[in-house]
Amino acid sequence: NAGVTQTPKFQVLKTGQSMTLQCAQDMNHNSMYWYRQDPGMGLRLIYYSASEGTTDKGEVPNGYNVSRLNKREFSLRLESAAPSQTSVYFCASISRGASEKLFFGSGTQLSVL
Amino acid sequence: SQQGEEDPQALSIQEGENATMNCSYKTSINNLQWYRQNSGRGLVHLILIRSNEREKHSGRLRVTLDTSKKSSSLLITASRAADTASYFCATWSNDYKLSFGAGTTVTVRA
Repeated sequence: NAGVTQTPKFQVLKTGQSMTLQCAQDMNHNSMYWYRQDPGMGLRLIYYSASEGTTDKGEVPNGYNVSRLNKREFSLRLESAAPSQTSVYFCASISRGASEKLFFGSGTQLSVL
Repeated sequence: SQQGEEDPQALSIQEGENATMNCSYKTSINNLQWYRQNSGRGLVHLILIRSNEREKHSGRLRVTLDTSKKSSSLLITASRAADTASYFCATWSNDYKLSFGAGTTVTVRA
């Protein structure tokens, strides 16, 4: 099993450009999450999807949108990228009830110039 | 705001020594988890301790939990170069969010 797969691994954008970060999991997990990681800040939750068809805001949702396309896929979209969105983005998933631990992807390093 | 806060921010030890890091949290919890992140990689779950447990072991890892002080500690015994990583504590909120602290960066010197 691949686990949680994120694409792309690296991306450079200019201010104002848009892009979508893709995330897919093959573990049949119900819940999926998007975090961003900045130096010295730990991980901050952007959006999460408790189950297919639902999405909710996390701690830092401004400037982002998400889509839970199906049970496997959860995408994160930046409509108009800003330098403050330069960060490393992680997708994670969990099957609540069966486990309490998150499984993480390997991350997307995004630079906005 | 972050639920957990780790201390110290960074730790440098000699191979073979023990490494101890602490986590403090703000609200009541059902369990507390520790994750490891190697450079350039995603986080990997290490160990979970429930609120009714005081201590838990997994290999060279020992976790303690003091709910009265809202704190936890992670001890790595007989450290190895491969233990060089950042370590994060995390707790669940009631609305299905897992919140992480800022982490402790551990460097194990050969």
